[in-house]
Amino acid sequence: GENVEQHPSTLSVQEGDSAVIKCTYSDSASNYFPWYKQELGKRPQLIIDIRSNVGEKKDQRIAVTLNKTAKHFSLHITETQPEDSAVYFCAASMVGGNTPLVFGKGTRLSVIA
Amino acid sequence: DAGVIQSPRHEVTEMGQEVTLRCKPISGHNSLFWYRQTMMRGLELLIYFNNNVPIDDSGMPEDRFSAKMPNASFSTLKIQPSEPRDSAVYFCASSSRFGLAGSGRVNEQFFGPGTRLTVL
Repeated sequence: GENVEQHPSTLSVQEGDSAVIKCTYSDSASNYFPWYKQELGKRPQLIIDIRSNVGEKKDQRIAVTLNKTAKHFSLHITETQPEDSAVYFCAASMVGGNTPLVFGKGTRLSVIA
Repeated sequence: DAGVIQSPRHEVTEMGQEVTLRCKPISGHNSLFWYRQTMMRGLELLIYFNNNVPIDDSGMPEDRFSAKMPNASFSTLKIQPSEPRDSAVYFCASSSRFGLAGSGRVNEQFFGPGTRLTVL
């Protein structure tokens, strides 16, 4: 089955700097890669996703890149703000079948003001 | 839309007791997922349903766990008997293969607020 590895497990950045979180996956059949943000005591919420027919997607300060050949994808947050502090999870699954998500172990991001 | 609804939000019980967690998916969604979150294992799938039919329950830890979806608007996850190692946050999520109109987000999974279970 699918296996998703995520690095780093913790990340501290100064406010205004960029943060990058990387994930790798094992199943070449996976073609849907969402990123979820989870604040303390809250539910995971989708912040951005990418499908395998594109290599990059951007939404304001957040961008995701995908390299299908290497089976890795990354989340980039620019101009970080204290409210970006949270745990971020990458995941992989297949589109079109309402299949479950396989999550990475999460990255705890701390943005220091 | 109220989103995915879960109850109870917190449950504290003693080892050996039966625990029932409840979930109401978003209206119109045809897939429902039960995930468990712990510090050690992260977010892991327990079971999921498509059109009320269980598709994959290989993530259910053992026979003490069971899940049902009697109709499109309700699902339960039952643990009997409960053990301290079952302590975790249990999330229910739902999705639609057609996505929200205009959102382009087919298969986006929406999570409920979770049930924090503590087994003493």
